[in-house]
Amino acid sequence: GDSVTQMEGPVTLSEEAFLTINCTYTATGYPSLFWYVQYPGEGLQLLLKATKADDKGSNKGFEATYRKETTSFHLEKGSVQVSDSAVYFCALSDSGTGRRALTFGSGTRLQVQP
Amino acid sequence: NAGVTQTPKFQVLKTGQSMTLQCAQDMNHNSMYWYRQDPGMGLRLIYYSASEGTTDKGEVPNGYNVSRLNKREFSLRLESAAPSQTSVYFCASTGPGGVYEQYFGPGTRLTVT
Repeated sequence: GDSVTQMEGPVTLSEEAFLTINCTYTATGYPSLFWYVQYPGEGLQLLLKATKADDKGSNKGFEATYRKETTSFHLEKGSVQVSDSAVYFCALSDSGTGRRALTFGSGTRLQVQP
Repeated sequence: NAGVTQTPKFQVLKTGQSMTLQCAQDMNHNSMYWYRQDPGMGLRLIYYSASEGTTDKGEVPNGYNVSRLNKREFSLRLESAAPSQTSVYFCASTGPGGVYEQYFGPGTRLTVT
């Protein structure tokens, strides 16, 4: 079945550092790919998405490119802020079962220190 | 536009007690979902409803039942709570189209003692 693998956290960075959170996936079809962010005590919010190979999703300074050849969707940000501290989830849309559900990675906690 | 709302926010149950988690969305979405979130495991799908009047099992349905009351509301019921059901529960919905972007509620933190 479909699966998503994310790098384990926590990731601890200083403010203004460069961020990369790795995400790779396994899917039988052609899924859409997503990054969701969860701030403490809150639900998940969509951060960005990409629907086909070579698409780049971007939002709030975060970017991720859909790489079909390496089955990856790594999240990057050039200069993180303390307010970016959260848990980040990579997800892919269900391919072929008709459930229209998402398969999530285990999440990566980011801690940004001033 | 409230999006997806869930009640209650927190709940403590004793083993064997029952309860219903409520979820409603005001985006006129057809599909609704219940996930549970456990540390280090991401979110796992419990049940989903592709449209009003239909429900189907996800990855971890044992110990749960659901009701799609109407297009807006999708409830999750624990008939006899067990400590293994201690988790954070999220409801989500998605509209028509092929992208499957989901919108999440704020979650219910459930503790079963």
